[in-house]
Amino acid sequence: SAVISQKPSRDICQRGTSLTIQCQVDSQVTMMFWYRQQPGQSLTLIATANQGSEATYESGFVIDKFPISRPNLTFSTLTVSNMSPEDSSIYLCSVGRGDPGELFFGEGSRLTVL
Amino acid sequence: AQKVTQAQTEISVVEKEDVTLDCVYETRDTTYYLFWYKQPPSGELVFLIRRNSFDEQNEISGRYSWNFQKSTSSFNFTITASQVVDSAVYFCALKGGTNAGKSTFGDGTTLTVKP
Repeated sequence: SAVISQKPSRDICQRGTSLTIQCQVDSQVTMMFWYRQQPGQSLTLIATANQGSEATYESGFVIDKFPISRPNLTFSTLTVSNMSPEDSSIYLCSVGRGDPGELFFGEGSRLTVL
Repeated sequence: AQKVTQAQTEISVVEKEDVTLDCVYETRDTTYYLFWYKQPPSGELVFLIRRNSFDEQNEISGRYSWNFQKSTSSFNFTITASQVVDSAVYFCALKGGTNAGKSTFGDGTTLTVKP
């Protein structure tokens, strides 16, 4: 398994502000994934973050809104920019183990936008 | 395109009852992988099982068992003698062999086990 730490675990933010979520993994991994889970909903993949290259975004998600950094093989950040109440969700960082590897998840960052 | 359907939105059982959570999937990949995850009220998703498309053997782990049938594109999960601690949201997920490692999740089934 993998140990994944996310910060912050929760936050309350004002409309129009931005928040950066950090994800730290206890070992080196090639791909890191960022998911969003809106209240009572399933997980939706935002983007895949590879070290040394631009993140790959899924349909409906854009870099200007969700910029991602991946400076090394154990760390990534996701920024939620210019937040609105519709961005209130749990944001989850995950990594895969092996190939095809099950996913391991951080505790999630629960954002509430007022 | 990949799709995972968990038709049961919510299930409520009484402790010690058996319960089966259904999962039906769609994929054009010939090689793919199926997963079940548990999300307890605390929120952290926990991996339960992985099954490869070329291995249709069913699996049992304690009170948990999984039935994989390619003919019906189903990967159902049964909890025997359910316990209150089994109360959680359960997600079925699919990863194709050609989609760059991305997993597609079903909408989840909320299981409530009452004492």
